[in-house]
Parts: sequence; C-alpha cells; structure tokens
Amino acid sequence: EVHLLESGGGLVQPGGSLRLSCVASGFTFSNYVMSWVRQAPGKGLEWVSGISGSGDSKYYADSVKGRFIISRDNSKNTLFVQMNSLRAEDTAIYYCAKRVTAGKAYYFDYWGQGILVTVSS
Amino acid sequence: SYELFQPLSVSVALGQTASLTCGGSDIGTKNVHWYQQKPGQAPVLVIYRDNNRPSGIPERFSGSNSGNTATLTISRAQGGDEADYYCQVWDTSGVFGGGTKLTVL
Repeated sequence: EVHLLESGGGLVQPGGSLRLSCVASGFTFSNYVMSWVRQAPGKGLEWVSGISGSGDSKYYADSVKGRFIISRDNSKNTLFVQMNSLRAEDTAIYYCAKRVTAGKAYYFDYWGQGILVTVSS
Repeated sequence: SYELFQPLSVSVALGQTASLTCGGSDIGTKNVHWYQQKPGQAPVLVIYRDNNRPSGIPERFSGSNSGNTATLTISRAQGGDEADYYCQVWDTSGVFGGGTKLTVL
C-alpha cells in the first residue's frame, strides 16, 4: 500500500525558512516524479514544485521560483522542499503527491495527509 | 498560462445525476483528471485521463472531455459524494481548476 507522510510544518515568521519532508513507502520511489501541491486556507489546490525520479530535473511554479528548492533522497525514500524567504501568502497545507506519467498524461494518484505551514509574525 | 474554470457550487438531489464542468481553451485536446476532496482530508483521484476510474472508485463516477469543456458525472448521487471536486491538466506545469463544491440535497 502506498503511503506518503509529510513533516516539518509549523509557524514561521515572514522572511523565515522551513524545510518540509515527505517519507514514501509502498512503491519504488526512485521511479516516480514527486510533487508538492499546496492549498491556502479555504482556497483551491496549487501545484508548487516537482522533481524527476533521479532528482536531475526540477520544476517550480512562478510563485515560488527562486525561493523554494525541491530535492529528494532516493536512498531514504524521502522528498524535501526547502522554503526560504517565506511570505504570508505561502500559508497553506502542503501536500506531497506521487505523479503518474502515462504518455502525455500527468496526474497525482496518491497524496499525503498534508502538513500546515503558517507564515505570520 | 493555461487556466481552468469550474463553477463554485453545484447542487443535486439525492439519487439524481450531477454534472460538474471544467472549462478551458481546447481542453478536449488535453488529458483531464478529477479529484475529490472532503473537508479536512487530502484529495483523492476519482477520474484520470478524461474517463478512467482508479480501482476502488464507484462506477457512478464517469468523465468526458470535448471541445472547451470536460465534465465529471456522478450518477445516483449519495450523501457521501458531498465534497469539493477539482479538475487538473498538465500544461507546462500542473494546473488545477478552482474547484466546485457539490451539495447533495
């Protein structure tokens, strides 16, 4: 059974940093693109970042480019995102998601339970 | 950047059919996926590649996609179907619609 478990969230001041982790199990982690998707309070889903199975290719939404860094440790089946220069608008639940690639179709078949990040003074 | 448009809310009578739409420019040329999210829970994939159901998703859930509109259809709606539903495509990155809140009356 696939399981994704996020950790590392919490309260941080504007301008501060936070590192989220997501431990995966139940599938061959290194074979899959992994992503972070966030959801601001009462709002919809927003794709944030993705990383290839090898970790060589990384992708970011414009809203976080230059501030967030995605990475992975395939030996530990763990996905990370280093979030720097945090802003109030980064306040959200952050989900780790496993991405399926099927031809030109890309979608998320498993999600973690999410972790809350609050940016406030 | 590519945008997806969903109505904020849809209501359906218990046992009837709900149609949730997702609009986008030539969306019929893209693969559309749908997620169900209940309060306090993570999203769950209910339809992928326009009209395919993951294992464990009831046959009551179906999808279609043509022209500028994709549709998620929920037949014989139940109280347990009340949730937010999001459509998603891939452009140069992941794109989600704003979500539709489904109410079962």
